Amino acid sequence: AQKITQTQPGMFVQEKEAVTLDCTYDTSDPSYGLFWYKQPSSGEMIFLIYQGSYDQQNATEGRYSLNFQKARKSANLVISASQLGDSAMYFCAMRDLASGGSYIPTFGRGTSLIVHP
Amino acid sequence: SQTIHQWPATLVQPVGSPLSLECTVEGTSNPNLYWYRQAAGRGLQLLFYSVGIGQISSEVPQNLSASRPQDRQFILSSKKLLLSDSGFYLCAWTPQLSYNSPLHFGNGTRLTVT
Repeated sequence: AQKITQTQPGMFVQEKEAVTLDCTYDTSDPSYGLFWYKQPSSGEMIFLIYQGSYDQQNATEGRYSLNFQKARKSANLVISASQLGDSAMYFCAMRDLASGGSYIPTFGRGTSLIVHP
Repeated sequence: SQTIHQWPATLVQPVGSPLSLECTVEGTSNPNLYWYRQAAGRGLQLLFYSVGIGQISSEVPQNLSASRPQDRQFILSSKKLLLSDSGFYLCAWTPQLSYNSPLHFGNGTRLTVT
């Protein structure tokens, strides 16, 4: 079963506007972590933001914030004041306890974001 | 500080040839290590992960194998490459026993099997 679902294959946003990238997850483990990564065309994977399952407040890192709705099992990434350099693939990921006793990271299929000038 | 090195950056290999991709981590000990593959325009597929020397877990049955001969060295191998093995291979590490640590990725290897 798909553990991480990103339903938006592609998104477009005007420069300086905000954009929300959707992510829903599925786990029965009470302890888990949610992550967002950015992958520019160069291929490197850049860690953006983390939200823990027990965190009471939404995580924020500069222009990035995570809209965490635990009951709905969603962890949407909000990018405020988009910049041309934000154009990239964005991946949502989760670490939860696998059957082998290790916290295995799984990734969604990604959302391609294009920022227009 | 911790760093992860992955090489080569690009590789073009004929079908049926062997493969060896190497990944090393510096500045930490006993990390969890991972190999991911990313097909063009797709998400990341976990291939192997390791929680210690000689301990390898395979997520996807295929003609690839992994080994961890030293604590901070992770090797991805194949005896005979297939066309379907083409893709972008990423090595990553995290500290042990932690669900709140992000993956730290190498710069990746772009493999083209011809």
